[in-house]
Amino acid sequence: ETGVTQTPRHLVMGMTNKKSLKCEQHLGHNAMYWYKQSAKKPLELMFVYSLEERVENNSVPSRFSPECPNSSHLFLHLHTLQPEDSALYLCASSQERANNEQFFGPGTRLTVL
Amino acid sequence: RKEVEQDPGPFNVPEGATVAFNCTYSNSASQSFFWYRQDCRKEPKLLMSVYSSGNEDGRFTAQLNRASQYISLLIRDSKLSDSATYLCVVTPDSWGKLQFGAGTQVVVTP
Repeated sequence: ETGVTQTPRHLVMGMTNKKSLKCEQHLGHNAMYWYKQSAKKPLELMFVYSLEERVENNSVPSRFSPECPNSSHLFLHLHTLQPEDSALYLCASSQERANNEQFFGPGTRLTVL
Repeated sequence: RKEVEQDPGPFNVPEGATVAFNCTYSNSASQSFFWYRQDCRKEPKLLMSVYSSGNEDGRFTAQLNRASQYISLLIRDSKLSDSATYLCVVTPDSWGKLQFGAGTQVVVTP
């Protein structure tokens, strides 16, 4: 166990649905991340939160909306997604940001119909 | 040009053999380097950091060549459990933002 949990593990949604992905870390870290992993492509960093403040938004479409209510929880709110958004969404956490090991959750496998 | 490039493989390796592969990065100012391992349908996990002088962790040896902008990973005495995708990871600054390669798949066969 990495100490980072994600729910749900699998999600199928229509293009008009609204859903949320949840991530929780039990490691006492103060930085959290959302990544997108598509088949045969590198992980793409989407959002970074440090001390509950968003410090990076990598030109992610507004149909993805992150929320970090505290240092242990991270959400990714989804609405009006496109089929090309189907991917594995990984949450990670680390202690501080600079060059520290990132611990990943198991991911949410998202399929958009 | 991709920021981090890897040969996707697969590298098919007989059990007990040695396998090595490289990763190139485009940003000469990159600060830190790592190898992560990702098993099929699982999350990435840190395998080892890569230090300037090269470093070893058991059967795994990592090297960094700043002049040519590549890092390498060598696996000796391959085990079946080494079958995985190996992700090259680079940090372009001291900030902690990781840039991932697409991964090199290694398949160790009996």
